[in-house]
This record gives sequence, structure tokens and C-alpha cells, in this order.
Amino acid sequence: EAQVTQNPRYLITVTGKKLTVTCSQNMNHEYMSWYRQDPGLGLRQIYYSMNVEVTDKGDVPEGYKVSRKEKRNFPLILESPSPNQTSLYFCASSLSPLHEGQETQYFGPGTRLLVL
Amino acid sequence: AQKITQTQPGMFVQEKEAVTLDCTYDTSDQSYGLFWYKQPSSGEMIFLIYQGSYDEQNATEGRYSLNFQKARKSANLVISASQLGDSAMYFCAMREGRYRDDKIIFGKGTRLHILP
Repeated sequence: EAQVTQNPRYLITVTGKKLTVTCSQNMNHEYMSWYRQDPGLGLRQIYYSMNVEVTDKGDVPEGYKVSRKEKRNFPLILESPSPNQTSLYFCASSLSPLHEGQETQYFGPGTRLLVL
Repeated sequence: AQKITQTQPGMFVQEKEAVTLDCTYDTSDQSYGLFWYKQPSSGEMIFLIYQGSYDEQNATEGRYSLNFQKARKSANLVISASQLGDSAMYFCAMREGRYRDDKIIFGKGTRLHILP
């Protein structure tokens, strides 16, 4: 089954304790992205990757890191989480925009993060 | 300035009526893609419909259609014969910068309530 998986689905942590949220897709997609969703703000792009070893900042990258060592995985790293990073996080993947008309993003189930 | 504007934070509609959810966008690119996603209370993001900027016909997918008015930079979602299961949050999104930085921007969403 074609899917995007994220782990963990729920996480409660404390300020300053490094954490990683994993994301994996099995659709051979070039493009992967992380979003955070906050009430009244919609989804905002944190980082994205157009292919292996290529990553770029989205609109809200501060406090986050990513890596893309393999095509299927795109982990999100919070080196020193703070309470303002409490949010719902989504990973998504798609074909590159060069596949015009086939660039729909498919989302993971989301990770709810609470930073105390 | 917002790149994606959804002017209706919330809507209440009687079951079986048609619904139009507004979305306007702002881009200087000639090539871009427009998407609508549904987010039910369970939290997952469900892809509904896609419209490419060069598509001359309005996109349709079952009960969903996208009313694309390029000159007005408008991409409204129309749901025909609404059902109780359509109650959810709906997000409009744009993918631009196809051959450049390929960013994806979401609107803040419209919460749709279908009344029995």
C-alpha cells in the first residue's frame, strides 16, 4: 500500500530534550516536506527536500533541522525543543514538479507534539 | 501579503445543498498548481482535487469540482449535494516555483459544518 508513515504519532517531551520525528514514504517520490499546523494558521512549511541531499528552508525553519540521506526517509529533528514548538506536524511527499499534473502531495497521519 | 486567502473561517450548510468554498491566490509564476485538501476531525489530510495553471478545463472529482478563474486568481471548491460526512476543515494550497524553489503554501482553512 502506497503510504507516508510518521513516528511517533504522539509525543510529550520537555524543553531542551532533543527529539527526532521520522518520516518514510514507499512511493519513490523525489519531493518530501514537513509542515506544522497550528489553530488559525493553517499549515506552514518548515523544510522541504527536492531530492536526496537537497534540502531547503520553508516559511518557518527556525528551531528545526532535517536531513535527506535516502530517498524514502526525511526525519525532522528538534535539537532543543521549546514550548512554542508544540504543534501538529505533518510529513508529505510527492513527485517533483517536473511531473506536471502529477505533483499531488500525500500526507502522513501527523504527529502531535507537546513540549512542556 | 498572503499568498493563499480563504475568506470564510467557518460555514454552516444544510445537507444536500451545494457548497462553494472560496480560495484566492497570489503568484507571479506562469506555471503553478492548486490543490484542495480535507481534514476531518480525525486529523488526517485527504487530497480532494488538483488544478494545473495550464489546464483549460475545470477539474472535477466525483462530487468535487474546482471553479478555476485564472484572471481573477480564484480557485473555489464546489461540493455538490453535501453530506454529513463532508463536515471537516478544508484547505486550499498552491505549489509554485516549479523550476526554482518549489514551495507549497496553504491557506488558513475553512471549517465546514453540514447540518442534518
